[in-house]
Amino acid sequence: SAVISQKPSRDICQRGTSLTIQCQVDSQVTMMFWYRQQPGQSLTLIATANQGSEATYESGFVIDKFPISRPNLTFSTLTVSNMSPEDSSIYLCSVLNPGTGHAFFGQGTRLTVV
Amino acid sequence: GQQLNQSPQSMFIQEGEDVSMNCTSSSIFNTWLWYKQDPGEGPVLLIALYKAGELTSNGRLTAQFGITRKDSFLNISASIPSDVGIYFCAGQLLTGANSKLTFGKGITLSVRP
Repeated sequence: SAVISQKPSRDICQRGTSLTIQCQVDSQVTMMFWYRQQPGQSLTLIATANQGSEATYESGFVIDKFPISRPNLTFSTLTVSNMSPEDSSIYLCSVLNPGTGHAFFGQGTRLTVV
Repeated sequence: GQQLNQSPQSMFIQEGEDVSMNCTSSSIFNTWLWYKQDPGEGPVLLIALYKAGELTSNGRLTAQFGITRKDSFLNISASIPSDVGIYFCAGQLLTGANSKLTFGKGITLSVRP
């Protein structure tokens, strides 16, 4: 299974500011995924980060609010822009095992916006 | 859109008891996955199921892929305190390059010593 490292593991941010979350994978992967997990809720896919092309966003998520970078096959960033308290969530990076298609997750970034 | 239903939201059992969790869907998946999430961690894959009717075990865990491809269950036998956590089911429909997962809302399991 892939080893996925996310930074930071947690942060407390002021409303109106932006936070960039980094995701590093120990092997090359075609697609990386960013999820949001609001308190007490399930995982909701924000977008798919593709290397060499723009990220694909799910309904309800837009690039201006959640810009994504994917400079190479092992790294991606998700930025949460102009934050409000409603953005307080756990943000998770995920990749698929190329052999099985199973999803593996980073440990998550717990964001609190005050 | 696709939705997965897991209920109840919380379960409380005594250490040593068995517990069963269901997951149902309004649509078909060709892969079912069960994940466990500990506090402060990302979900960890427990069991993956690929074929309708498939029954798979992983230690004290047993899961089955329903015949209709719209449901799955997870059994935990002889529960222990470290089984505490949130259990998510996820359905995956592999269509070409599309491998997105749909997650249930999760069941929080508490185990009383």
